[in-house]
Formats: sequence, C-alpha cells, structure tokens
Amino acid sequence: GAVVSQHPSRVICKSGTSVKIECRSLDFQATTMFWYRQFPKQSLMLMATSNEGSKATYEQGVEKDKFLINHASLTLSTLTVTSAHPEDSSFYICSAPAAAGSYEQYFGPGTRLTVT
Amino acid sequence: KQEVTQIPAALSVPEGENLVLNCSFTDSAIYNLQWFRQDPGKGLTSLLLIQSSQREQTSGRLNASLDKSSGRSTLYIAASQPGDSATYLCAVRGNTPLVFGKGTRLSVIA
Repeated sequence: GAVVSQHPSRVICKSGTSVKIECRSLDFQATTMFWYRQFPKQSLMLMATSNEGSKATYEQGVEKDKFLINHASLTLSTLTVTSAHPEDSSFYICSAPAAAGSYEQYFGPGTRLTVT
Repeated sequence: KQEVTQIPAALSVPEGENLVLNCSFTDSAIYNLQWFRQDPGKGLTSLLLIQSSQREQTSGRLNASLDKSSGRSTLYIAASQPGDSATYLCAVRGNTPLVFGKGTRLSVIA
C-alpha cells in the first residue's frame, strides 16, 4: 500500500522556538493532506487540511498563525509550530488520501513533540 | 457534526478469550469505517476498512461488522493473545476527513 512518512519522529524543543514537521507521500501524489493532533490518552483530532498550492483549512479552535501549514508540492506538506509552548507538546500525525477523490486515508507514523 | 463513541474505554481479559469492541457514530452518512490499532507512543496500524456498502470484513482473528443505518460497528477479536494488547480506534469517513473515537484500551493477560 501507499506509504506516508514523517520527519522527525521525535523532537524536543525549548519554549518559544519553532518546530517544523514534514509529511511526505512516498509513492503517490497527494493534493490534500490532513494534520491530526493527539494528546495523551486522547483520540486523534483533526487540526487542518492542507491543500497543494492554496491555503490550508483549519478546524475550529486551531490557530492558523500558530500552526503554519505549507503544501508546496504534490508529495510534501509541512506543519510549523511557531513559538511553541509546553501545552503544544503532543503527537502530531499526518494523513493523505489514497488517491485523488478517495475516501481511504493513509497515515504517517507520527511525530512526538515535547516542548520544555 | 459527526461524533464517534467507543465502549468500553478499557478492557482487561485473560488470554484466549473472545471479545467485542463497540463503536457508534451519530451521522450514518459515511463512506467507510476503519478500525486501527495503536501501541503506546506509536502511530496507527490499519486493521480493517469497511466500505459503507459492506456489512463486514475479516482479517485473521479479527472481524469487523458495520450496521450503517443504526450507526454501529463492532470489532470481534477471537482467541485473544497478549500481543493484542493495545488501544483500538474506530474512525468514520464522511464528507469530512476521518473522525476518530477515543479508543478502547485492551489488555490481554497471559
């Protein structure tokens, strides 16, 4: 099946710094990618939908100026957590549709962000 | 807004038991339903995907059913093993990206 990768798998940063997380579709093109966040012992919550060549769509309550999303190519979407704070510590997972118009989603392995 | 509920939140069973995990969703207008496994601190492993036109899917010791009209799905695990211990997530796909339940944390005791 299709593979979605994320980098880095783990990152520790100091409060106030910015962190970039990459999500790549390895053997297929993804005009759309989804970013989820998972707090400890909670479920995955959709943060935003990344669209290649246009602005991302953010879910209610997600600050677009804090979570910058760039989808500059058909295989890469990036999420930048700006001015990170300890409450941003979470597990971030990206996902991409199996094909254009497909309702099946493939998931990346996730990125564990710890802000100290 | 779609909401997905999973019951029970946690379950502990002795090895060898058959068990059922439950998932319900509020909006029956879905394209598919998917069951995932998540080990502590890890990403998601897709177990079974049921299209809205299907009633069940099977993979090895796992069987998932879907009753779309009543908004319910069950995941049946036969002859449970300690290696099955994990959190099992149910997610539905409608006009929005996958919406997840909070999961059932399963512990299978040897």
